[in-house]
Amino acid sequence: DSGVTQTPKHLITATGQRVTLRCSPRSGDLSVYWYQQSLDQGLQFLIQYYNGEERAKGNILERFSAQQFPDLHSELNLSSLELGDSALYFCASSSPPGQGPPDYGYTFGSGTRLTVV
Amino acid sequence: GQSLEQPSEVTAVEGAIVQINCTYQTSGFYGLSWYQQHDGGAPTFLSYNALDGLEETGRFSSFLSRSDSYGYLLLQELQMKDSASYFCAVRDDKIIFGKGTRLHILP
Repeated sequence: DSGVTQTPKHLITATGQRVTLRCSPRSGDLSVYWYQQSLDQGLQFLIQYYNGEERAKGNILERFSAQQFPDLHSELNLSSLELGDSALYFCASSSPPGQGPPDYGYTFGSGTRLTVV
Repeated sequence: GQSLEQPSEVTAVEGAIVQINCTYQTSGFYGLSWYQQHDGGAPTFLSYNALDGLEETGRFSSFLSRSDSYGYLLLQELQMKDSASYFCAVRDDKIIFGKGTRLHILP
């Protein structure tokens, strides 16, 4: 158990629908990152939150949105789902430098596998 | 923009040594990380280099040359359990990952 909790582990839904993926970071970590990994692809950065505020944005579609709540858990909302959105969605958290481990590294959750049919 | 290049696949023999190279182009750079991911699993952090040189952690070592925008991961005494994908990643205010190198290990 990495300490980063993602729910649900699997999700199957139809095109056009909306889903919410949830992530609880490791205790003490203030930063949360969302990544998308399609089949045989690398990890595509979506968005980062730090202590409730959006810190950085990657190639996140307008149909996707996220937020981080006061208790530091984060949710990624995916709407108007398309077949191409089928992927593994990972959440990761990090601690401030020097307060690791892993120093300067991320701890990933086990991911949510989304299948759009 | 940012880009990282690493080989898509590498094959090596159990007990041998293998090196996975990574070159990068980034606007900002604080350091180079390496992550391991087994099929269907989560990426796990292996190492981080902020300064030039070699960092050793058990059977794994990672090297960085900032002037060459180049780094590598060295895996020694390969074991079958090392069969996985390995990602290099560049850190500025967030971490950008390469597409990964799938390591196949032959008995």
